[in-house]
Amino acid sequence: QVQLVQSGPEVKRPGASVKVSCKTSGYTFSTYGVGWVRQAPGQGLEWLAWITPYTRSTKYAQKLQGRVTVTTDTSTKTAYMELRSLRSDDTAVYYCARSRGYSFGTPLDYWGQGTLVTVSS
Amino acid sequence: EIVLTQSPDTLSLSPGDRATLSCRASQSVSSYLAWYQQKPGQAPRLLVYDASNRATGIPARFSGSGSGTDFTLSISSLEPEDSAVYYCQQSGATFGQGTKLEIK
Repeated sequence: QVQLVQSGPEVKRPGASVKVSCKTSGYTFSTYGVGWVRQAPGQGLEWLAWITPYTRSTKYAQKLQGRVTVTTDTSTKTAYMELRSLRSDDTAVYYCARSRGYSFGTPLDYWGQGTLVTVSS
Repeated sequence: EIVLTQSPDTLSLSPGDRATLSCRASQSVSSYLAWYQQKPGQAPRLLVYDASNRATGIPARFSGSGSGTDFTLSISSLEPEDSAVYYCQQSGATFGQGTKLEIK
């Protein structure tokens, strides 16, 4: 069965960076995209980025462009999301999710369990 | 950037009722609109994609319609387990702010 398993919770100081991993199984990694979404405490869903392992093409939310980078490692079927220059309002649960196809624009059909990133001095 | 606006913010209904949730886009998204359900402490679950196609394992009580800028998610014969926040998403990217559905 399709599974996405994310790395554990992180606590970071303002200005630091965080890298969240998303290990996939149960499907052909290279033929589906991976999207990243976050949810601040008590708030709604915010789309962050997307990547296709096939071509390593990426898309980023304008708001975070320049601070976020998504990558993949096809040998381990793992996707990564790195966020730099962390601020307190980056505190959120970060989700990875598989997109239904390898092209940008397809919805997210399988989700990881979420990774809580806390930014605090 | 395309903005999605959902209405209402909160909807309170009784078991057996029909729920109608709306999502309006600031510009046309064709049929590239998806709906998700999220319960407290859980990841979102895909319900409907391409405006009207139910995702795998989703009951027929859930149906989506619309194209262009106006979309609707309908849930017939509500059950207590349908209590959740529902989000729309356009083209695999931006989300609406969510509609909280309460079943009392």
